[in-house]
Amino acid sequence: TQLLEQSPQFLSIQEGENLTVYCNSSSVFSSLQWYRQEPGEGPVLLVTVVTGGEVKKLKRLTFQFGDARKDSSLHITAAQPGDTGLYLCAGAGYALNFGKGTSLLVTP
Amino acid sequence: NAGVTQTPKFRVLKTGQSMTLLCAQDMNHEYMYWYRQDPGMGLRLIHYSVGEGTTAKGEVPDGYNVSRLKKQNFLLGLESAAPSQTSVYFCASRLGQSNTEAFFGQGTRLTVV
Repeated sequence: TQLLEQSPQFLSIQEGENLTVYCNSSSVFSSLQWYRQEPGEGPVLLVTVVTGGEVKKLKRLTFQFGDARKDSSLHITAAQPGDTGLYLCAGAGYALNFGKGTSLLVTP
Repeated sequence: NAGVTQTPKFRVLKTGQSMTLLCAQDMNHEYMYWYRQDPGMGLRLIHYSVGEGTTAKGEVPDGYNVSRLKKQNFLLGLESAAPSQTSVYFCASRLGQSNTEAFFGQGTRLTVV
């Protein structure tokens, strides 16, 4: 099992603030995915990063894949209450293994 | 399209009872997965399948069995339920390995008393 460490585990911020969450591993991944899960729902894919050093933007969300393809980060600009949820990274091999997630709460 | 459907949505079992959770997908996906989610633990992979008739163990397979007799269905069995198996179970499917998106069901909340 390729371990994925996510940090921080919990994050509580106010609307308008910026934040970054991290996903780290000692293993190299061919690709890495980020999902968001809302209470009572299954996770939903946000992005897949494939190339080392790749940066992808999804509106206010910026995803980066490390040069060595062992780590990734998710940066949210001007967070909104609708960003509240559990953010999970996953190494996209045969077995889709997830990190423990970062639980984000954005208050108005 | 229904996507990924899990049955049942809620269940309470007594210790020692058995049950089967059903996952059905209508997207002709090759890969299917069963996860459990506990507070602070993220999603932990129980078993997975990369095609009809194949299964493989994930991170936490003990106490569970699976079968993939038909491509669209992935069954998760608990032969003798234990309180430690109280959890929310999620099924997921995806087209194939190459960076494809995983689609999840709505989850099954299982309580073992």
